[in-house]
Amino acid sequence: KQEVTQIPAALSVPEGENLVLNCSFTDSAIYNLQWFRQDPGKGLTSLLLIQSSQREQTSGRLNASLDKSSGRSTLYIAASQPGDSATYLCAVADLSNSGYALNFGKGTSLLVTP
Amino acid sequence: EAQVTQNPRYLITVTGKKLTVTCSQNMNHEYMSWYRQDPGLGLRQIYYSMNVEVTDKGDVPEGYKVSRKEKRNFPLILESPSPNQTSLYFCASSNIEHGLAGGIGSNEQFFGPGTRLTVL
Repeated sequence: KQEVTQIPAALSVPEGENLVLNCSFTDSAIYNLQWFRQDPGKGLTSLLLIQSSQREQTSGRLNASLDKSSGRSTLYIAASQPGDSATYLCAVADLSNSGYALNFGKGTSLLVTP
Repeated sequence: EAQVTQNPRYLITVTGKKLTVTCSQNMNHEYMSWYRQDPGLGLRQIYYSMNVEVTDKGDVPEGYKVSRKEKRNFPLILESPSPNQTSLYFCASSNIEHGLAGGIGSNEQFFGPGTRLTVL
């Protein structure tokens, strides 16, 4: 079964810093990988989706990379802002004859201080 | 507006009283899924559906039922809720494009706002 790990579990940075969130997975035969943001008590907001054939995706200050061979993805946040404070979740999708499964990491809780 | 809706958003009930949490999407997605989120355990898949009348168990299906009679709806049924089913529940939907490299946005999972369930 696909295992997804996110490091660090929590991170506190001052405003303006560039930061990297890490996600690792055990089975490299993935369908896609998606990064989400979750605010306390709220739902999940999709940030970036990387297909298995892609190496990276960018949206504004966010850049996500994917290295299937090493089982890793990183989410890079440039010039962090207090509004970026949230939990960031990595989810790896597997597609096989038995179905489609989305496996989540436990998240990185980010606090950006003014 | 493209969205996934869930109802109710909050529910407090008692052990053994059957309940249904509804989920509906307006994006004509084939794939729908239910997750529960618990502190320290993250998000875990309960059931999923690849299309109408096609449902399969996820990682934690015990105590839950689902049905997919229409493409847009995927209700989660707790026949006899127990306190260990107290959790935050999310419904999600997406397209599933087999064999395609896909473009930006394809196969993207869209999540509902969540249903916070407390079973006393």
